[in-house]
Amino acid sequence: GAVVSQHPSWVICKSGTSVKIECRSLDFQATTMFWYRQFPKQSLMLMATSNEGSKATYEQGVEKDKFLINHASLTLSTLTVTSAHPEDSSFYICSARRQPAGVWETQYFGPGTRLLVL
Amino acid sequence: KQEVTQIPAALSVPEGENLVLNCSFTDSAIYNLQWFRQDPGKGLTSLLLIQSSQREQTSGRLNASLDKSSGRSTLYIAASQPGDSATYLCAVEYGNKLVFGAGTILRVKS
Repeated sequence: GAVVSQHPSWVICKSGTSVKIECRSLDFQATTMFWYRQFPKQSLMLMATSNEGSKATYEQGVEKDKFLINHASLTLSTLTVTSAHPEDSSFYICSARRQPAGVWETQYFGPGTRLLVL
Repeated sequence: KQEVTQIPAALSVPEGENLVLNCSFTDSAIYNLQWFRQDPGKGLTSLLLIQSSQREQTSGRLNASLDKSSGRSTLYIAASQPGDSATYLCAVEYGNKLVFGAGTILRVKS
């Protein structure tokens, strides 16, 4: 149990276009979902935390209007990279948690989405 | 600032060797600490999770220890195999937030 999927697994797009990445919890309801970004040979950096039905909380330095997050249901969160540019090329990973913060529960990670902006 | 540091950045060992990966964190008010494995271009596989009240966890050939007071954790891999080659990430949880180290790239030579 506790499987998280991401779609697409990788995407190539032209500069200036928008790209949507989906994160789904397949066999559990996720109270909270997280979006991370990983540049080559670097570690994961948390971009934002989203709770179902409320606005996402963005980390310092992450542009809210650039990276739109929608957590529409307890099993789906989407990250839209708007007006993508080559510097947005990265590996985007989502994770999901079943229980609210304060109750012991690990985060379950998706397989990641590789974005290449030409 | 909550920072996680992993040493060494890269490690190459012959098959069969026992090895230790190190992780240190600046803020000891942790909720838990987790070790992950990441294969190239792939997502994360959780290896071991240690709650803040625990001192170690074991799974097969893996043993992770936690010393909260000194802000350190180690991941011990016994009898390493070529299949263990991957990047190992240490992540510390603070409240609802995971802070990751930069990872140790491990290569086990056959």
